[in-house]
Amino acid sequence: RKEVEQDPGPFNVPEGATVAFNCTYSNSASQSFFWYRQDCRKEPKLLMSVYSSGNEDGRFTAQLNRASQYISLLIRDSKLSDSATYLCVVPNAGNNRKLIWGLGTSLAVNP
Amino acid sequence: EAEVAQSPRYKITEKSQAVAFWCDPISGHATLYWYRQILGQGPELLVQFQDESVVDDSQLPKDRFSAERLKGVDSTLKIQPAELGDSAMYLCASSLAGGLQDTQYFGPGTRLTVL
Repeated sequence: RKEVEQDPGPFNVPEGATVAFNCTYSNSASQSFFWYRQDCRKEPKLLMSVYSSGNEDGRFTAQLNRASQYISLLIRDSKLSDSATYLCVVPNAGNNRKLIWGLGTSLAVNP
Repeated sequence: EAEVAQSPRYKITEKSQAVAFWCDPISGHATLYWYRQILGQGPELLVQFQDESVVDDSQLPKDRFSAERLKGVDSTLKIQPAELGDSAMYLCASSLAGGLQDTQYFGPGTRLTVL
């Protein structure tokens, strides 16, 4: 299994839809996880941190499944402005101070 | 809101030339990162500084890349000689102390094109 793996998409959804992305990781000892958002040709920005079973912030919910070693990002009531690439970030195996970035999942929300 | 500054924003160079990128982290941030991001991929860590010391440069191609943060504040990343495969976005990020729970704040990046 790759250290961090994401479905690249693209996910094309209409406004108002609910969409979910999964991210699988190989290091069972990982304690913290992050979702970053990256707009086209812009820098990544932190969206959510996940330290326990999950986190919720408005329309965004991150859930952690330690048994199956994946984290998910759920976006409810999608907006046009949610169109971006969502990057999953996990501490790597053997060195808990280094973060491994996924390739990202591309989301396009259509009117 | 404090920001990470990078320059130049864009750089076009010919292969075998030397290029240098500059980064000024958020004031007070001890940890500085240089990443390379190829289109369609996630960022790849090149080097991580804690103050003026390198704590991880395992993915830095040391035959052609060098990085320094002499006074523990701003940093320079250099490529000499540049190769076609170096075309990418070079992102600088900083965090307060480098802990895993610290948010990394990214600069706008330098987009490098090697011809």
